[in-house]
Amino acid sequence: GAVVSQHPSRVICKSGTSVKIECRSLDFQATTMFWYRQFPKQSLMLMATSNEGSKATYEQGVEKDKFLINHASLTLSTLTVTSAHPEDSSFYICSARGGPEEFFGPGTRLTVL
Amino acid sequence: LAKTTQPISMDSYEGQEVNITCSHNNIATNDYITWYQQFPSQGPRFIIQGYKTKVTNEVASLFIPADRKSSTLSLPRVSLSDTAVYYCLVGDYVDSSYKLIFGSGTRLLVRP
Repeated sequence: GAVVSQHPSRVICKSGTSVKIECRSLDFQATTMFWYRQFPKQSLMLMATSNEGSKATYEQGVEKDKFLINHASLTLSTLTVTSAHPEDSSFYICSARGGPEEFFGPGTRLTVL
Repeated sequence: LAKTTQPISMDSYEGQEVNITCSHNNIATNDYITWYQQFPSQGPRFIIQGYKTKVTNEVASLFIPADRKSSTLSLPRVSLSDTAVYYCLVGDYVDSSYKLIFGSGTRLLVRP
């Protein structure tokens, strides 16, 4: 299947700093990418839908000014967690869709101290 | 709300066949059924996708009855490494902007 990468795989930061997570589709062009958040022992929760060249669509309850999403090309989307706080610590997963299948990245573990 | 309902957990033993059934009573005409596997601290991995009847690949089979209101993922001869969470999702995958809504998934534990 198609490959989606995320970078970094793990990040630890201090409270108040911003963290950028990259999501790349390595062998296909993704018109749409999605960002999810997953807390321990819970399911994936969709945060936002990212379309190349347009503004992201955020799910209800997700602060767009806190979670900045940029989809600059058909192979790259970035999620920036601004002014991170300990409650933002979570597992962030992106996915990319270029056809009928959706492929997920390996996830990024964010820990905010 | 998730469009699917699955058992929260299942136990099995190595070498057995495992069948996980998912209910999706409100499935739409254009919806496909997709199953994903997730290990701890990893992203979900695509297992299989189908629209109707039976689909088989190298790792699993997917059985979908005529009314499409349910589906069954069949894992032949499971091993310890199949211990994971399995998610059943439905969606109009032809529409590239369709959003996947994850349910709670089924936690499969394979015992030696």
